[in-house]
Amino acid sequence: QQQVKQSPQSLIVQKGGIPIINCAYENTAFDYFPWYQQFPGKGPALLIAIRPDVSEKKEGRFTISFNKSAKQFSLHIMDSQPGDSATYFCAATYTGNQFYFGTGTSLTVIP
Amino acid sequence: DAGVTQSPTHLIKTRGQQVTLRCSPKSGHDTVSWYQQALGQGPQFIFQYYEEEERQRGNFPDRFSGHQFPNYSSELNVNALLLGDSALYLCASSSISGANVLTFGAGSRLTVL
Repeated sequence: QQQVKQSPQSLIVQKGGIPIINCAYENTAFDYFPWYQQFPGKGPALLIAIRPDVSEKKEGRFTISFNKSAKQFSLHIMDSQPGDSATYFCAATYTGNQFYFGTGTSLTVIP
Repeated sequence: DAGVTQSPTHLIKTRGQQVTLRCSPKSGHDTVSWYQQALGQGPQFIFQYYEEEERQRGNFPDRFSGHQFPNYSSELNVNALLLGDSALYLCASSSISGANVLTFGAGSRLTVL
């Protein structure tokens, strides 16, 4: 059973656009929600993370929006660039031991 | 500062064989987790090691085993390989004091024929 559901599977935007990737979870015990960015041939790298006591977090061009009542969170990439083309994974954990990952979103930013 | 290093980067095995993958954690990290990433999927948690003990295990059969050494490096062993074991195996290290921050290696790509 998929603990974290991610959509869309793929996304194509023009340079400067704002891609939005969505994730939903069921386990209300989750208390940490990171987003990872993965380039081909590389391991995932932590991009930004949020805890459920805040509704939004911004770091540079990346923003997480968190809706605790709906059990949903999303990643927004402002002013997207071709270098942002990668696969993005949302994740969740409540122990810090086991992380549950979404199935990934392949983002392509067209110049 | 070296990050997480994994070896080998690629390997090919046949069904029924055994494989050992190795991981050196990021400097200052004492906890190692292993994940399996099938093609087009997100990483799936295999297990985590801290203080040379398996701390938590995901939903993987006993064919998957591991070890952590006193220098915090780790090995993942898979016995009786199946075609379905073909995947990218990722090692992630963290500090027990900052367990939520995982640093991943580039992975070991295993192909089982």
